[in-house]
Amino acid sequence: ETGVTQSPTHLIKTRGQQVTLRCSSQSGHNTVSWYQQALGQGPQFIFQYYREEENGRGNFPPRFSGLQFPNYSSELNVNALELDDSALYLCASYKGGPGADTEAFFGQGTRLTVV
Amino acid sequence: TQLLEQSPQFLSIQEGENLTVYCNSSSVFSSLQWYRQEPGEGPVLLVTVVTGGEVKKLKRLTFQFGDARKDSSLHITAAQPGDTGLYLCAGGGSSYGKLTFGQGTILTVHP
Repeated sequence: ETGVTQSPTHLIKTRGQQVTLRCSSQSGHNTVSWYQQALGQGPQFIFQYYREEENGRGNFPPRFSGLQFPNYSSELNVNALELDDSALYLCASYKGGPGADTEAFFGQGTRLTVV
Repeated sequence: TQLLEQSPQFLSIQEGENLTVYCNSSSVFSSLQWYRQEPGEGPVLLVTVVTGGEVKKLKRLTFQFGDARKDSSLHITAAQPGDTGLYLCAGGGSSYGKLTFGQGTILTVHP
């Protein structure tokens, strides 16, 4: 059991709507990364948060945004949803700041369907 | 842009057979991780290799990191139905949180 929990587990939204996904990091972990995994593909890095600030971003548009809170939990927000945003969204947490030599542990993911 | 290519994409074998999954890149990674993912679940870390030429064994699974730290392989001996799943390799750069994943290998082991 990794200790990383995500909510909700499943979500259906309409194109154009906004969505917020949540992640509670494993105890002792202060860094959170978010990934998008389309069906049949490997996860794609969205961004990473450390000390409540974005630290590194993948090739995703600005309508993908996030937050990290003092307790290290995190949110992923997606505005103006598109059909292609349908995917499994994964949160991973690890201990240490960017560059730290630690291993990431993943949550079970949130399955987002945009119709 | 760092890319990782996994092969094969699909593997369907009988129980007891051996198999190897490959993960290749033109880029150097500071570490290489292997994950196993069940449908509807998040990836679960199997192993991390960090030294060129490193070999790690986990029961029937053997992981190798290439000498130049650009490629890796996962070998499973005497596969069992419980090994069925999606196997992902992921390269780490300056931060373990920023992983570059391969597209995955879907392994099915038939009883």
